[in-house]
Amino acid sequence: EAQVTQNPRYLITVTGKKLTVTCSQNMNHEYMSWYRQDPGLGLRQIYYSMNVEVTDKGDVPEGYKVSRKEKRNFPLILESPSPNQTSLYFCASSLRGQQETQYFGPGTRLLVL
Amino acid sequence: DAKTTQPPSMDCAEGRAANLPCNHSTISGNEYVYWYRQIHSQGPQYIIHGLKNNETNEMASLIITEDRKSSTLILPHATLRDTAVYYCIALMGFGNEKLTFGTGTRLTIIP
Repeated sequence: EAQVTQNPRYLITVTGKKLTVTCSQNMNHEYMSWYRQDPGLGLRQIYYSMNVEVTDKGDVPEGYKVSRKEKRNFPLILESPSPNQTSLYFCASSLRGQQETQYFGPGTRLLVL
Repeated sequence: DAKTTQPPSMDCAEGRAANLPCNHSTISGNEYVYWYRQIHSQGPQYIIHGLKNNETNEMASLIITEDRKSSTLILPHATLRDTAVYYCIALMGFGNEKLTFGTGTRLTIIP
């Protein structure tokens, strides 16, 4: 089954404790992206990647890092999480040139205390 | 990307057709209309898109007016699982790096 998976699905952590949210897709997509969704602010892009070893900032990259060492994986790293990073995070992927039709993962709900 | 306007909420009886409108009066000639939906706290799901002709797939139909200033997403036989927020967005049809959703229409299917 074609899908985007994220882990963990739920995470509670404390300020300053480094964490990684994994994202993996099995559709051989070149493009991958991370979004966060907050009430009243909609979906905002954090980082995206057009292919392996190619990443770029989205609208809200501060406090986040990403890497794209393999085509299928695009982890999101929070080096020193803060409470304002409490949010619902989505990973998405698509074929390059078809970013209008992205496949989204199930989401990771993060609470930073 | 052209701005789109949707009603904040709608109800529809189960089994009936749900017709979700979207206004995009400033859409340019090479912008497509895309529809996504988001079931509560799940990832957004692509539904359908079109440029100027009506489109149909296994999930829905998309009717675009001749002047392209508005469109309607039709779910022909709504079920309770169609309860979701539906987003209409206008995008150039090539390589947009991100999707930006507005507030969408919250569709509630009534048993």
